[in-house]
Amino acid sequence: DAKTTQPTSMDCAEGRAANLPCNHSTISGNEYVYWYRQIHSQGPQYIIHGLKNNETNEMASLIITEDRKSSTLILPHATLRDTAVYYCIVRVAMGTTDKLIFGTGTRLQVFP
Amino acid sequence: GAVVSQHPSWVICKSGTSVKIECRSLDFQATTMFWYRQFPKQSLMLMATSNEGSKATYEQGVEKDKFLINHASLTLSTLTVTSAHPEDSSFYICSAYWDSLKTQYFGPGTRLTVL
Repeated sequence: DAKTTQPTSMDCAEGRAANLPCNHSTISGNEYVYWYRQIHSQGPQYIIHGLKNNETNEMASLIITEDRKSSTLILPHATLRDTAVYYCIVRVAMGTTDKLIFGTGTRLQVFP
Repeated sequence: GAVVSQHPSWVICKSGTSVKIECRSLDFQATTMFWYRQFPKQSLMLMATSNEGSKATYEQGVEKDKFLINHASLTLSTLTVTSAHPEDSSFYICSAYWDSLKTQYFGPGTRLTVL
């Protein structure tokens, strides 16, 4: 699986957009980009995933560069409840036996 | 959204005893579930892949005789920590794979403390 690189930590003011980058320069053509987040002492929460087109859902938007070597997760209006560790994971479209391997993620702190 | 539950949410036990943790997919059937462990201030570490009706597949370095996994139905997987010791104290998290959505959903985790 392609490896990802994320900043260790980021800050964001409440109400502003939080833009979390992820580098995955060795991504293969059939690998998807998945984003999860983990709020303190809870299980990870699925946010969004995409292959090459930009994706949007009720939680966030995912912007993938044309060469697919990097992506950005956008939380359009961050709230204090968005404070969490955000994980970017590159994976072949999930088959039943495919595993998610977590890196160290980005610790996002949203402040008032 | 999809819901995966775990029981218990926390447990304290004495050294040498065994502890069973249940993981259930509430909204869907899951042929594959996964078990992770997380130590304080560290990322999740995959322990094993649990397949319904067959033996679990363990990651390198995880003792299969110590961490017994049973996936007897399409909605339930259990992890039993046998002869627990203080070093087994950790946050155990399961996830279940939803076929039609091609996405894994995680349970809330179980905090195990071994005295």
